[in-house]
Amino acid sequence: AQRVTQPEKLLSVFKGAPVELKCNYSYSGSPELFWYVQYSRQRLQLLLRHISRESIKGFTADLNKGETSFHLKKPFAQEEDSAMYYCALSGRAGTALIFGKGTTLSVSS
Amino acid sequence: DAGITQSPRHKVTETGTPVTLRCHQTENHRYMYWYRQDPGHGLRLIHYSYGVKDTDKGEVSDGYSVSRSKTEDFLLTLESATSSQTSVYFCATRSAGGFSEQYFGPGTRLTVT
Repeated sequence: AQRVTQPEKLLSVFKGAPVELKCNYSYSGSPELFWYVQYSRQRLQLLLRHISRESIKGFTADLNKGETSFHLKKPFAQEEDSAMYYCALSGRAGTALIFGKGTTLSVSS
Repeated sequence: DAGITQSPRHKVTETGTPVTLRCHQTENHRYMYWYRQDPGHGLRLIHYSYGVKDTDKGEVSDGYSVSRSKTEDFLLTLESATSSQTSVYFCATRSAGGFSEQYFGPGTRLTVT
């Protein structure tokens, strides 16, 4: 079964602390993995995808096929990073993304 | 924002009434999707479309129907609204090429009283 698991509902950190948002997936083939971010009451927007291997807003994510994980990391959290983060996978081109339940990141000063 | 709009943005309706939400895109994307977003559930797929007049069910399709008569419009209808359908509804689109990203609309906040 295709599944995305984000084990933390809420992650609270202080400004300047490192952040790691966990994502594990279940898929029998080779999926495309994404991280989306949703700021308060806004639309979801793409943060990064594993195939492009970019670093956006200081965030990075590495696909670990052995552990079937795609954790999102940032070395120094900023208050403006406070948002809901969704991990998602796509099995085949054109198919709907399958989302995890999301993790709320709260960064306080 | 890939030119995706949703209407209405907010709606309050009564139990038992039909409701139609509209998603409009200007990107000529082939694929369109309807999700609902609920606390503790994340985003769940309701229905999707892979072309004009080609639609299929998603994970939580009961009580919903869709139609796509033009590439740019994808309508979601709640046939007889229930309180459990109170949610935020997001439309998304995706182009046909490879593992493209999904672009999301701004969402419609629906309250069923």
